[in-house]
Amino acid sequence: SQQGEEDPQALSIQEGENATMNCSYKTSINNLQWYRQNSGRGLVHLILIRSNEREKHSGRLRVTLDTSKKSSSLLITASRAADTASYFCATDRGGSNYKLTFGKGTLLTVNP
Amino acid sequence: NAGVTQTPKFQVLKTGQSMTLQCAQDMNHNSMYWYRQDPGMGLRLIYYSASEGTTDKGEVPNGYNVSRLNKREFSLRLESAAPSQTSVYFCASGLRYNEQFFGPGTRLTVL
Repeated sequence: SQQGEEDPQALSIQEGENATMNCSYKTSINNLQWYRQNSGRGLVHLILIRSNEREKHSGRLRVTLDTSKKSSSLLITASRAADTASYFCATDRGGSNYKLTFGKGTLLTVNP
Repeated sequence: NAGVTQTPKFQVLKTGQSMTLQCAQDMNHNSMYWYRQDPGMGLRLIYYSASEGTTDKGEVPNGYNVSRLNKREFSLRLESAAPSQTSVYFCASGLRYNEQFFGPGTRLTVL
């Protein structure tokens, strides 16, 4: 079963605007990651946030994690047409479990 | 570095045929994974190998087998393909709890 659920399923914005995507999960986690997938390609890792972190930045990306609400958000600032892709959150539960569980993704379209 | 490579890129099978999807990584990662991606379903884990010599079932293992041939290579075998196995298959590798690196995918159609 899917651990993460992204919201919204699809998002369309204009170039230069900010894009916010949310991820909710069901059980306690060790880490949460965000990945990007361009059409027809494999996934590319964007950022990892640990369960004891609340916020992390990487370039135009800002990720927050609220473990009490079991949710995370990914903010892309000053979006570009090249940001058009699907975005997935993925969680792991630590321990001897090396698996990531992915959500169904948010399709972001940035219009020029 | 090539990263994660997968062969073939495309494949069409008839129901009942068998095939093996190949995956190799050159990043010296211990863990390797096979996922399938279907429209509206995200990625679902089929099998994974936490280290050379070990393999474990993921979320959707039925109809598949895997072999961790060595540290670099992890293959996925469909013994008797079914239309329900039409999907895009991704191989990935990574270090424990860290980011995974994905191959370009294999697009499989079973008629």
